[in-house]
Amino acid sequence: NAGVTQTPKFQVLKTGQSMTLQCAQDMNHNSMYWYRQDPGMGLRLIYYSASEGTTDKGEVPNGYNVSRLNKREFSLRLESAAPSQTSVYFCASSETRGQGEQYFGPGTRLTVT
Amino acid sequence: QQPVQSPQAVILREGEDAVINCSSSKALYSVHWYRQKHGEAPVFLMILLKGGEQKGHDKISASFNEKKQQSSLYLTASQLSYSGTYFCGTESTGNQFYFGTGTSLTVIP
Repeated sequence: NAGVTQTPKFQVLKTGQSMTLQCAQDMNHNSMYWYRQDPGMGLRLIYYSASEGTTDKGEVPNGYNVSRLNKREFSLRLESAAPSQTSVYFCASSETRGQGEQYFGPGTRLTVT
Repeated sequence: QQPVQSPQAVILREGEDAVINCSSSKALYSVHWYRQKHGEAPVFLMILLKGGEQKGHDKISASFNEKKQQSSLYLTASQLSYSGTYFCGTESTGNQFYFGTGTSLTVIP
């Protein structure tokens, strides 16, 4: 039972490059989330998926797209990376949106130069 | 919309108590508390639901004042392992959920 897994753990991109961050959970949770964490800013929600087949914007969605591939997997895509997207990205899942305990993956540290 | 936490940082000696506050401008349905150690992912501590009771385990407990849209986390007889950054997360109308900016807690021997 791995919980929430994320790949890759670290990534360096040049400005303008694209990449996809992968996330998978094996707890049969309905809801999944992508957050970014910057120093002094806490965790800010980028996108979430309340249930399979639905996705919604969070606080800071600009420059990102997401795909809820199936109940287990939720990916985050940066189409044209910018230095402002340098951050630590966390994927999380919960049984239901809002009221459920959120389980976090180990994070991806992304640097855009 | 992001809840406000106070204090931003606190340093304690082992055995001392601490209170971390979380305040929202919106009516709340639930408040979550998480702890994050340096370089690790946040870990769930507890959730308080509207109309629910004060919760706690071991020497960490929390309260939720629905009328004031506030929650407080109480750490009693702090241990070195309590060090980390504490985040509250609040759920309000329209399924909106936001984390606070965090409170850094350092426990020294």
